[in-house]
Amino acid sequence: GAGVSQTPSNKVTEKGKYVELRCDPISGHTALYWYRQSLGQGPEFLIYFQGTGAADDSGLPNDRFFAVRPEGSVSTLKIQRTERGDSAVYLCASSRTSGYNEQFFGPGTRLTVL
Amino acid sequence: QKEVEQDPGPLSVPEGAIVSLNCTYSNSAFQYFMWYRQYSRKGPELLMYTYSSGNKEDGRFTAQVDKSSKYISLFIRDSQPSDSATYLCAMRADAGNNRKLIWGLGTSLAVNP
Repeated sequence: GAGVSQTPSNKVTEKGKYVELRCDPISGHTALYWYRQSLGQGPEFLIYFQGTGAADDSGLPNDRFFAVRPEGSVSTLKIQRTERGDSAVYLCASSRTSGYNEQFFGPGTRLTVL
Repeated sequence: QKEVEQDPGPLSVPEGAIVSLNCTYSNSAFQYFMWYRQYSRKGPELLMYTYSSGNKEDGRFTAQVDKSSKYISLFIRDSQPSDSATYLCAMRADAGNNRKLIWGLGTSLAVNP
């Protein structure tokens, strides 16, 4: 079956611009996670959705970052007024709710802010 | 101090060697311990997970957790060039529905033919 997909695979933008990153989870997975991975670092948690609601957004670095999941499936991570420090790979993962809840990751969106 | 510490390497071994990777952690609430493999420009892929303490074996891979020492290990036997990747440890608490993972830096491994 299809895995987690993320679009675009690469995004280059200029400082100060607005960007949207999209995640399509595995069908039937109710939990969805966003992580950010900088070069040479492990992923850093940003936000976790259970269904349509954000169950934990404690990892969002500031109010320029926002994420939605209006129908409990696709999620969009939105970054306003981008800064050079936002450059990283943004990873999305999804999991079932019951049991162990292995998180399956997408390939990521590589964001470069010039 | 980070919650999870992992030596980034790089680690270079000859084909067929036994590889030992490890992480230490500080949060005693962690109950699930995972090892992910990440190839360049790809997302992490789960290799092994362990709940609480103990050992788990899957083919050439063995995961060990020692909660008393807050130390986890991954062993790779008969390493192959295709094992060359970054290996990340990740862990989480068993607290309600929040399953956010806390990650190590990742160890870069090169297996030379």
